[in-house]
Amino acid sequence: GENVEQHPSTLSVQEGDSAVIKCTYSDSASNYFPWYKQELGKGPQLIIDIRSNVGEKKDQRIAVTLNKTAKHFSLHITETQPEDSAVYFCAARSRAAGNKLTFGGGTRVLVKP
Amino acid sequence: EPEVTQTPSHQVTQMGQEVILRCVPISNHLYFYWYRQILGQKVEFLVSFYNNEISEKSEIFDDQFSVERPDGSNFTLKIRSTKLEDSAMYFCASKGGESSYNSPLHFGNGTRLTVT
Repeated sequence: GENVEQHPSTLSVQEGDSAVIKCTYSDSASNYFPWYKQELGKGPQLIIDIRSNVGEKKDQRIAVTLNKTAKHFSLHITETQPEDSAVYFCAARSRAAGNKLTFGGGTRVLVKP
Repeated sequence: EPEVTQTPSHQVTQMGQEVILRCVPISNHLYFYWYRQILGQKVEFLVSFYNNEISEKSEIFDDQFSVERPDGSNFTLKIRSTKLEDSAMYFCASKGGESSYNSPLHFGNGTRLTVT
């Protein structure tokens, strides 16, 4: 089945700097890649997603890139703010593997003021 | 914005007891899911439910687990005889209508289950 690896597990950045989180996936049939943000005591909240027919997507300070050949995708947060501090999860979904999301292990991001 | 709501937020139970975790998915959604997250580990898929039946389940979802949509709004996860290793955060999720295979998955805030 699908396996998603995520790095780094923790990331500390200075406010205003950029943060980059990287994920790799194993199933070449995966075609949907969402990113979730989880704040303390809450469930994962979708922040951006990308489908396999595009290589990059941007929404204000957040961007995601996808390299299908290498089977990796990345989340970029620019001009980080303290409220960006949270745990971020990448995920992948493959039509060949049913309708479920397979999650990465998460990255705890700390933005220092 | 519509939300997935879960109750209770925290459930403490003794080993061997039955628990029912409750969820109210977003009202016009047709696909329902349960995921769990053991402390410090990945979010793991348990089961998906569509058209009043289980569409997929993981190896975690053994005979001790069951799901039900008892009415038009609730979606429940039952664990018949809880074990210590069932202690985790359980997340309910839902997504949209008929042509929504790639629509986003919306998660609730979870129920923290503690088995003592």
